[in-house]
Amino acid sequence: SQTIHQWPATLVQPVGSPLSLECTVEGTSNPNLYWYRQAAGRGLQLLFYSVGIGQISSEVPQNLSASRPQDRQFILSSKKLLLSDSGFYLCAVRDRATEAFFGQGTRLTVV
Amino acid sequence: SQKIEQNSEALNIQEGKTATLTCNYTNYSPAYLQWYRQDPGRGPVFLLLIRENEKEKRKERLKVTFDTTLKQSLFHITASQPADSATYLCALAGGGADGLTFGKGTHLIIQP
Repeated sequence: SQTIHQWPATLVQPVGSPLSLECTVEGTSNPNLYWYRQAAGRGLQLLFYSVGIGQISSEVPQNLSASRPQDRQFILSSKKLLLSDSGFYLCAVRDRATEAFFGQGTRLTVV
Repeated sequence: SQKIEQNSEALNIQEGKTATLTCNYTNYSPAYLQWYRQDPGRGPVFLLLIRENEKEKRKERLKVTFDTTLKQSLFHITASQPADSATYLCALAGGGADGLTFGKGTHLIIQP
């Protein structure tokens, strides 16, 4: 079965600092990978998805970027964090139109 | 625009009763619909998937219905237990590589 490793679990960063969140997947190959954000009182918002190495699609314009340097590695980055970037970030994997498996998430607080 | 609506109010149910959660959607023609459970501070966990040509799906104490005419899915938990307390999310996709779109979820509280 698929396993998703996401770290760190919590992160407190000052405004204007850079961000790098990493997600790695085990137990599958060439999966579709996704980054979601869940802000307080709001639903899950799809930020990026990737269907293969180097292939990134952005769902919403924002201060964040994503990269997929390896088949089972998905990275979420920012050069300069904003207060509005605070939230619960979740990495997810799907094997072709099936259910999604989520990592444990990273709680990011920008101060 | 596409929209998924779930009751944002918390749902309080007495232990042993059936809990029924609603998911309504507009401007979608989904190939399938999914339900997830999310506990505080954790990622969602998949529960059930129902396809557009299926009216009902069951898994242990869980039952999901899918009415593509009404554009609605109902999620039932029978013989509810306090351990069923969580937020339940419905999700839609049109199939393919695009990510699932989630409703905001309904917070279910099962009272002993």
